[in-house]
Amino acid sequence: GNSVTQMEGPVTLSEEAFLTINCTYTATGYPSLFWYVQYPGEGLQLLLKATKADDKGSNKGFEATYRKETTSFHLEKGSVQVSDSAVYFCALSQNTGGFKTIFGAGTRLFVKA
Amino acid sequence: DSGVTQTPKHLITATGQRVTLRCSPRSGDLSVYWYQQSLDQGLQFLIHYYNGEERAKGNILERFSAQQFPDLHSELNLSSLELGDSALYFCASSERLVPSGQFFGPGTRLTVL
Repeated sequence: GNSVTQMEGPVTLSEEAFLTINCTYTATGYPSLFWYVQYPGEGLQLLLKATKADDKGSNKGFEATYRKETTSFHLEKGSVQVSDSAVYFCALSQNTGGFKTIFGAGTRLFVKA
Repeated sequence: DSGVTQTPKHLITATGQRVTLRCSPRSGDLSVYWYQQSLDQGLQFLIHYYNGEERAKGNILERFSAQQFPDLHSELNLSSLELGDSALYFCASSERLVPSGQFFGPGTRLTVL
């Protein structure tokens, strides 16, 4: 079946450090890929998406590229801020007549001032 | 604010009881999704409705059922509650059948004592 694997957290970085959160997936066909962010006490928010191979999603300084050859969708940011502290979820969705979305386990990020 | 509303925010009940969680999608969104988030299971997809019709099912127990009404709001019914059903339940919505991203509500925290 389909699955999403994320690097385990927590990840602790200093402000202005470079961020990479790894995400790999297993799926048949051509799923859409997403990154969501969850701040404490809130629901998930869509951060960025990519719907086909080699697409790059980007938002608020975050980027991820849909790599079909390595089945990966790693999240990167060049310079993190304290306000980026949150839990990040990688997800895939496939059209099976409806949309079943599978989420990774989430990676908690702490950014220190 | 995502535009998705969920009620109630918190719910405390006893084992064996039945509860109903309510979700109102963003204005114009036809798709509604339900998720369960718990510490040990992560974020699990339960069910997807599109314009009143069930379109995809995930790891939803037989004790759980959902529906989407003509005004597009949705309800998730949980019956014969067990301690292990304690979790955050999120509703999300998207405009079309094929989502370019989902908008999540703030969640309902269910505690079963």
